[in-house]
Amino acid sequence: DIQMTQSPSSLSASVGDRVTITCRASQSIRNFLNWYQQKPGRAPKLLIFAASSLQSGVPSRFSGSGSGTDFHLTISSLQPEDFATYYCQQSYSPLTYTFGQGTKLEI
Amino acid sequence: EVQLLESGGGLVQPGGSLRLSCAASGFAFSNYAMSWVRQAPGKGLEWVSDISGSGSDALYANSVKGRFTISRDNSKSTLFLQMNGLRAEDTAIYYCARDSLYRGYVSLDSWGQGTLVTVSS
Repeated sequence: DIQMTQSPSSLSASVGDRVTITCRASQSIRNFLNWYQQKPGRAPKLLIFAASSLQSGVPSRFSGSGSGTDFHLTISSLQPEDFATYYCQQSYSPLTYTFGQGTKLEI
Repeated sequence: EVQLLESGGGLVQPGGSLRLSCAASGFAFSNYAMSWVRQAPGKGLEWVSDISGSGSDALYANSVKGRFTISRDNSKSTLFLQMNGLRAEDTAIYYCARDSLYRGYVSLDSWGQGTLVTVSS
């Protein structure tokens, strides 16, 4: 199975900061990589698909990059509503759509 | 507006069974593959199972293979997850989600609010 590893596991930042979260796959997944945001007590929300495509309605301060095994989610200027947990997910393997362990973004 | 509403969660003893449902509305249900994703208390997301739009193809995580069965009733726009042989480690919030397919890329673009399954004696 393809393993997905996110770093860091948690991150402290301030409003207005630029932050980057990394996701690494155990083998090449080309650009079959999605990013989700989850707030406490809420369902996850799709932010980015195909590594760098912004989901409709998601603010442009969110961006994704990478291919192969290394991927990044960048938030250009943190807003108060961005403090949440972020997950990457690979959709390359047709047998299982593995998630990373999550990165908690805190104030 | 896409809406997914899960139901059927609850408390069940180890070894027991439970059937989850997910009622979909706001889109052409049969045109979309659907997934179940779970989240144990305080833990991350775990993909559980996926079913094609027609219901003819299904995939399962190794952790539930042979115990869980995904199915759907397209005439009622409803997704199901039959869970047998439940274990304590199956305790989680179970979310149903819609698979979005765009140029070969699959993502989960709409999610329900989740239903809690607790396996305990």
